Amino acid sequence: DTGVSQNPRHKITKRGQNVTFRCDPISEHNRLYWYRQTLGQGPEFLTYFQNEAQLEKSRLLSDRFSAERPKGSFSTLEIQRTEQGDSAMYLCASSLEGYGYTFGSGTRLTVV
Amino acid sequence: TQLLEQSPQFLSIQEGENLTVYCNSSSVFSSLQWYRQEPGEGPVLLVTVVTGGEVKKLKRLTFQFGDARKDSSLHITAAQPGDTGLYLCAPQGDYKLSFGAGTTVTVRA
Repeated sequence: DTGVSQNPRHKITKRGQNVTFRCDPISEHNRLYWYRQTLGQGPEFLTYFQNEAQLEKSRLLSDRFSAERPKGSFSTLEIQRTEQGDSAMYLCASSLEGYGYTFGSGTRLTVV
Repeated sequence: TQLLEQSPQFLSIQEGENLTVYCNSSSVFSSLQWYRQEPGEGPVLLVTVVTGGEVKKLKRLTFQFGDARKDSSLHITAAQPGDTGLYLCAPQGDYKLSFGAGTTVTVRA
């Protein structure tokens, strides 16, 4: 297992377009998290899954943001009708019952 | 709401010097993690501290957890350019990490 994988690494999109990011966690890990990081700040929690159940999503920034983990393996984060303020690094992490947190390299989103 | 403060915000030193960065909170941490993040990459876990007064060493890095578990520090001895990065502390809650804004460390060769 090579760690947490995120794709794409970079995404440039026009304002108003929809984007989807993918995260493949470490296979033994049952928890998967999404964070957002803007310049000069630490990562900000968005949502998390335990297996396929999304147990916390109140921190998703608006109803334009949604996340899925359909079979308890990979996850996707979708942003609809992107805005310039959505430009940020989107990080995925996984853990086993809250231990052994491992982050991916992130997806850098630029909305123009 | 737990207020988390990391200081200093920026630190630039010459190779071979020592440095210390701090993480302070208004609340008690149950446990605290330290991460290092390089530009364009995700954070990498350095250490988890759990017990008040705990000291952990990782090669040239020394981590201290305050007796009251409201503060922590990271000390780097004889810093090297490879230590350059954003150092983040994060108390661990029931299901998430809550990161501070971090300290950006630059080690000049």
